Amino acid sequence: AQSVTQPDIHITVSEGASLELRCNYSYGATPYLFWYVQSPGQGLQLLLKYFSGDTLVQGIKGFEAEFKRSQSSFNLRKPSVHWSDAAEYFCAVGDGSSNTGKLIFGQGTTLQVKP
Amino acid sequence: DTGVSQDPRHKITKRGQNVTFRCDPISEHNRLYWYRQTLGQGPEFLTYFQNEAQLEKSRLLSDRFSAERPKGSFSTLEIQRTEQGDSAMYLCASSPGRPSSYNEQFFGPGTRLTVL
Repeated sequence: AQSVTQPDIHITVSEGASLELRCNYSYGATPYLFWYVQSPGQGLQLLLKYFSGDTLVQGIKGFEAEFKRSQSSFNLRKPSVHWSDAAEYFCAVGDGSSNTGKLIFGQGTTLQVKP
Repeated sequence: DTGVSQDPRHKITKRGQNVTFRCDPISEHNRLYWYRQTLGQGPEFLTYFQNEAQLEKSRLLSDRFSAERPKGSFSTLEIQRTEQGDSAMYLCASSPGRPSSYNEQFFGPGTRLTVL
């Protein structure tokens, strides 16, 4: 069965510091991978996605993620964090081979930004 | 593109009451999904529609839950005889019908349900 693991429940970084949020997935075929961000009390906003091709994908708000098949990982990175990046981040895998399109989400990582 | 909208944003009800939520997807999107998110967890898939047809339901969707999407436009999710364990954020998402975009979902703001 497909699954997504986000090993870090909570991360605190200083404003201006670099950020890496980890995501590991379990899926037999080539996965469709996503990162979403959720601000308190809000829905989810898509940051970036990987379907195929270049393993380094660029997203909105200066985020990028790298797909590493050998490590079953899709880590999210940002070179310099802004206070407005404080939110909850979810990694998700979609089943590209079935017809449902449903997403399997990780537990999420809460990002706190120190001034 | 006005995005996915959900109504109400918040609902407080007493145990045993029925509640109904509405989702309006992005107008040209054929697929509509419902997810449930409890505190500290990621969203969990409940069900989805391709146009007006409900094609899959999760085991999380007990017989107290029913969802409809008449005419393939907006969708409603009804919970009958609510229980305290139903307290959660209910998220709706829509997706274009093109195969390459099946998984690219756009989420609404959610409906926060509190069952007292």
